[in-house]
Amino acid sequence: DTAVSQTPKYLVTQMGNDKSIKCEQNLGHDTMYWYKQDSKKFLKIMFSYNNKELIINETVPNRFSPKSPDKAHLNLHINSLELGDSAVYFCASSQTSGGYNEQFFGPGTRLTVL
Amino acid sequence: AQSVSQHNHHVILSEAASLELGCNYSYGGTVNLFWYVQYPGQHLQLLLKYFSGDPLVKGIKGFEAEFIKSKFSFNLRKPSVQWSDTAEYFCAVITGNQFYFGTGTSLTVIP
Repeated sequence: DTAVSQTPKYLVTQMGNDKSIKCEQNLGHDTMYWYKQDSKKFLKIMFSYNNKELIINETVPNRFSPKSPDKAHLNLHINSLELGDSAVYFCASSQTSGGYNEQFFGPGTRLTVL
Repeated sequence: AQSVSQHNHHVILSEAASLELGCNYSYGGTVNLFWYVQYPGQHLQLLLKYFSGDPLVKGIKGFEAEFIKSKFSFNLRKPSVQWSDTAEYFCAVITGNQFYFGTGTSLTVIP
């Protein structure tokens, strides 16, 4: 069984479009995250949600909006896509927030903006 | 701002060679430390973690890491690498709710 799943796995789109990436975890975790991994493999946290409430919102353009309909889902919506948004986006979850919890990562969504 | 440094960006080893990947962080308070591995085309997986206690922690697949508080370091080691260890390795430091990943080290093991 997949613990953290993301759809789609690949996403190719034109500049200016709006797209969403979905994430679901079946681990019963309370906290979910979105990370962006750039072409140099640098991994940076974007958002963290604990029980459907945003607890981290790093310096991310407001074109990116996370939405958590319930604690098992954390979707990422991106408006007006730009070339620089091309990256691999990873969703992750942990049992609770805070550092005592291993994060489980999804398989990633490779976004390519043309 | 806190930072996590992985000075070895790309390491190439022959099979059976010993491995040590460096990780240094800048935060002076209580930290929780992790090493993650990302095999080609796959997601990140936890190798090992340190919260407290014995500073030498053992993880999966023969990996270990040593927390040296005075040096702000958490280096990853393996006595004998295999071709299947070819991957990206990420050090991560967590303080409270703040997560910081290093820039990663790409390890290539030559058969």
